[in-house]
Amino acid sequence: DQQVKQNSPSLSVQEGRISILNCDYTNSMFDYFLWYKKYPAEGPTFLISISSIKDKNEDGRFTVFLNKSAKHLSLHIVPSQPGDSAVYFCAASAKGTYKYIFGTGTRLKVLA
Amino acid sequence: GAVVSQHPSRVICKSGTSVKIECRSLDFQATTMFWYRQFPKQSLMLMATSNEGSKATYEQGVEKDKFLINHASLTLSTLTVTSAHPEDSSFYICSARGLANEKLFFGSGTQLSVL
Repeated sequence: DQQVKQNSPSLSVQEGRISILNCDYTNSMFDYFLWYKKYPAEGPTFLISISSIKDKNEDGRFTVFLNKSAKHLSLHIVPSQPGDSAVYFCAASAKGTYKYIFGTGTRLKVLA
Repeated sequence: GAVVSQHPSRVICKSGTSVKIECRSLDFQATTMFWYRQFPKQSLMLMATSNEGSKATYEQGVEKDKFLINHASLTLSTLTVTSAHPEDSSFYICSARGLANEKLFFGSGTQLSVL
């Protein structure tokens, strides 16, 4: 049972445009969400987080939106840059557990 | 940001041998460390949660006698793959959480290949 899903395995975007990566979850107990970026054979790098008390969090070019009623979150990258090309994972945890469940990842390719 | 060091980054071993992977938090005290494995083109699968000074909590389906986890200090956790077999070949990643931090900081991962 995949509690965190990223239904798009890959996404290609032109440089300068917006990249939108989506993530859905099923467990209503999840209340803290993270996005990570991962290059091959490396550990994930933290990008941005959001708590369930918010519906938006912004950090530079990265914005995460949370729709609790739909159990959906999305990561917006604007403008997209070639260096953003990587696999992006969303992860969710329930309060106090710090046990994160990861989605299957979306491979983003930003075309120059 | 916080730094987590994991090594070795790559190890090749013969079937039946044991392999130890170290995970260190370099500039913070990690009350909790997590061990994940990742198969190609799949998600990070949580294997176990390790709290300093106590026994690790393993996820369903993970053999605790095969994947030995030790978290002897606030800055070091180790994962030992005992009697490794080819099906244990995978990418193993540790992560650490500080005292007052929701974020996880990841090591760079260990690619284990068992021949």
